[in-house]
Amino acid sequence: DAGVTQSPTHLIKTRGQQVTLRCSPKSGHDTVSWYQQALGQGPQFIFQYYEEEERQRGNFPDRFSGHQFPNYSSELNVNALLLGDSALYLCASSDSGTHPYEQYFGPGTRLTVT
Amino acid sequence: AQSVTQLDSQVPVFEEAPVELRCNYSSSVSVYLFWYVQYPNQGLQLLLKYLSGSTLVKGINGFEAEFNKSQTSFHLRKPSVHISDTAEYFCAVRKTSYDKVIFGPGTSLSVIP
Repeated sequence: DAGVTQSPTHLIKTRGQQVTLRCSPKSGHDTVSWYQQALGQGPQFIFQYYEEEERQRGNFPDRFSGHQFPNYSSELNVNALLLGDSALYLCASSDSGTHPYEQYFGPGTRLTVT
Repeated sequence: AQSVTQLDSQVPVFEEAPVELRCNYSSSVSVYLFWYVQYPNQGLQLLLKYLSGSTLVKGINGFEAEFNKSQTSFHLRKPSVHISDTAEYFCAVRKTSYDKVIFGPGTSLSVIP
């Protein structure tokens, strides 16, 4: 059973560009959350998707947007990249029915903005 | 709003010695508590969780944690550490099953041979 997968693994972008990160949840999981982890810090919650809608959002600007597809996979889009957006972006999935408290994390996408 | 404090940013400990990683939280409502581990260049793995019931929680890899409501603490312990325990450890809280998870800044555990 594949766990949470994310693509790409690494990404280098230029300031002002746009980026899309992808996440496939663990099999059977219907909820996807995204986190930003800056170097040396704990993950910060960006938003959560359930039933293809954004259910909760953290303190991130509108430049950060997302989407969830019918197969529960998800995308994170960041527009007008800033140097400060450089971070590890983590996707986490959970099963809202049986174990809603347990989030399974993917390996992350390392985004570098130059 | 909830917040999490991890008092020690770095903890060096000799192999086979015991270790305690401290976590304190603040919240105006009851919360659920978690410890995650992050190995280098990897995502986070759930070590253990406290939802309700017994305040002593056992997790994977020989770790355990004790919930203390009066002191708003959830310290992580292991009686004998191994080299393979070297990693970053994060304490986290959330209000409900679907609420956002609030992470602490992390504690870097280094096990010395």
